[in-house]
Amino acid sequence: NAGVTQTPKFRVLKTGQSMTLLCAQDMNHEYMYWYRQDPGMGLRLIHYSVGEGTTAKGEVPDGYNVSRLKKQNFLLGLESAAPSQTSVYFCASSYSSGTPIAQFFGPGTRLTVL
Amino acid sequence: SQKIEQNSEALNIQEGKTATLTCNYTNYSPAYLQWYRQDPGRGPVFLLLIRENEKEKRKERLKVTFDTTLKQSLFHITASQPADSATYLCAYTFGNQGGKLIFGQGTELSVKP
Repeated sequence: NAGVTQTPKFRVLKTGQSMTLLCAQDMNHEYMYWYRQDPGMGLRLIHYSVGEGTTAKGEVPDGYNVSRLKKQNFLLGLESAAPSQTSVYFCASSYSSGTPIAQFFGPGTRLTVL
Repeated sequence: SQKIEQNSEALNIQEGKTATLTCNYTNYSPAYLQWYRQDPGRGPVFLLLIRENEKEKRKERLKVTFDTTLKQSLFHITASQPADSATYLCAYTFGNQGGKLIFGQGTELSVKP
């Protein structure tokens, strides 16, 4: 099992460019999440999904879009990148249940917007 | 609004001692608190979960307590080792919210040999 994988690992964008970050999990998890991590800010939830074809906004959704067309994949898109989106992005997944259980995280994508 | 705070100052301790990390929250008691470990350049890894109605949870050298009166969770690592050096994150959820977690900013632990 690869667990949660993220593509790419690093990326440098110019302001205004677009890109898509791919997250894949092979654990048959229902729930998937996208976070960003900035120094001194901790992990902040961008968007999440409770199942294939469904998405919802998290704490900091502005400037991002997501799609969950397949259960194992969760895509994060930046339509017009801004320097404020320079961050490390983590994807996570978990089983679905009424009791919150562990989230499994990917290795992260380090994004720099110039 | 609900906040969760961890000591932002790094914690430096000697090998063999017990490390104690603090997680404080405001307002309402969360239904669940989770603790994660994060190594540099890597994603967080789940360690322990404690429920609101539980006072204490243990796993090997790790112990988590949950005090709803003090609005605080303590995370202990006994007989600490240099390999325990990492950043430790606490996170809470009120439950039934699609598994959403709200994370603290993390506390960096350094264990010196």
